[in-house]
Amino acid sequence: EAGVVQSPRYKIIEKKQPVAFWCNPISGHNTLYWYLQNLGQGPELLIRYENEEAVDDSQLPKDRFSAERLKGVDSTLKIQPAELGDSAVYLCASSLLSSGGTDTQYFGPGTRLTVL
Amino acid sequence: SQKIEQNSEALNIQEGKTATLTCNYTNYSPAYLQWYRQDPGRGPVFLLLIRENEKEKRKERLKVTFDTTLKQSLFHITASQPADSATYLCALSRGGYNKLIFGAGTRLAVHP
Repeated sequence: EAGVVQSPRYKIIEKKQPVAFWCNPISGHNTLYWYLQNLGQGPELLIRYENEEAVDDSQLPKDRFSAERLKGVDSTLKIQPAELGDSAVYLCASSLLSSGGTDTQYFGPGTRLTVL
Repeated sequence: SQKIEQNSEALNIQEGKTATLTCNYTNYSPAYLQWYRQDPGRGPVFLLLIRENEKEKRKERLKVTFDTTLKQSLFHITASQPADSATYLCALSRGGYNKLIFGAGTRLAVHP
């Protein structure tokens, strides 16, 4: 079974440029997450989707970040314009989350973004 | 808000010894706690989950304990091997649809 797929793996851009990341979750997983991970830190949630609905985007900087999950499968995360402080690893994860269950998440390899 | 503390310094141990990593949390008691492994350049990989009403969980060479009084979880790797070298992340949740909160992780280095 294929795991969570992310692309690109690496991206280098100039500040103020736009950038987009793509994620394909594990087949059948209804919940999709985007995390930001800075060096030496744990992942921090940016947004969570239940199917195609964004149910937790409280940590997403909405002035420059946007995300979508059309048809409840693939997702894209966009930054426009990028700032120097956005340099980090962007992780996508998926799970079969239910109200009474536990949330074991499966992560992709991440996209390492460098903003110059 | 919930805070998670993991040893920021790397843990260096000799092959064959038992590695013990600590995860302390403040504030509310989580419904469950998880441990993930992360290798450089890769995403975290789930290892073990322990619920608030469980004291201990085992999986092969791995053991997790959960003490809700001390607000602490310990993660043990017995008979450690160089291949166990990685960063280990603790994560906890109130359960249901509440999000997972991750600690910063502890880097483990197992030397031959």
